[in-house]
Amino acid sequence: KAGVTQTPRYLIKTRGQQVTLSCSPISGHRSVSWYQQTPGQGLQFLFEYFSETQRNKGNFPGRFSGRQFSNSRSEMNVSTLELGDSALYLCASSFRDRGKDTQYFGPGTRLTVL
Amino acid sequence: GDSVTQMEGPVTLSEEAFLTINCTYTATGYPSLFWYVQYPGEGLQLLLKATKADDKGSNKGFEATYRKETTSFHLEKGSVQVSDSAVYFCALSDSGGGADGLTFGKGTHLIIQP
Repeated sequence: KAGVTQTPRYLIKTRGQQVTLSCSPISGHRSVSWYQQTPGQGLQFLFEYFSETQRNKGNFPGRFSGRQFSNSRSEMNVSTLELGDSALYLCASSFRDRGKDTQYFGPGTRLTVL
Repeated sequence: GDSVTQMEGPVTLSEEAFLTINCTYTATGYPSLFWYVQYPGEGLQLLLKATKADDKGSNKGFEATYRKETTSFHLEKGSVQVSDSAVYFCALSDSGGGADGLTFGKGTHLIIQP
């Protein structure tokens, strides 16, 4: 099976712009989660989608949003970019086995805000 | 709330040395526990997992045992190689459905010298 794919791999934007990142989960996985990784804050949970519905959201401002499509592909959007949004954004898809989920990560999108 | 504590390093070892990376956790429920590894410029790879107390996860010579009494999930390897140099993250999922996202430790940078 192909792994989780994320596009684009690298992005450079300027403050005030908006950006959309894309994630294709492993075939058959219906849950997609997004994380932000920075040197200062480490790995932080953004949100999780299952069957096109957001099930939970981390502690991020409303500028961060996402959605999931019927084929389980997901996008996240960041509006009005700030310098502090520079980070590696990781997507993970998961499946449930005996009531427990295991998350598999993509290679990430490196966002640089100038 | 949930939390994961691990030594941050860097941890520097010689090839063929024994490795231990400590990880302790705080959780309200009965979490699943994971070790992920991140190589430079890449996303996270699942290394091993354990979903209940006394379970032992193992992969590629790495092992970790879920110890509920000490709330620990220490990572061990008997003989490390230069190719094991990477950042290792301990993580927990306190929701069987995965909706709350993974809680990560800050990561341990491991450097193996030939």
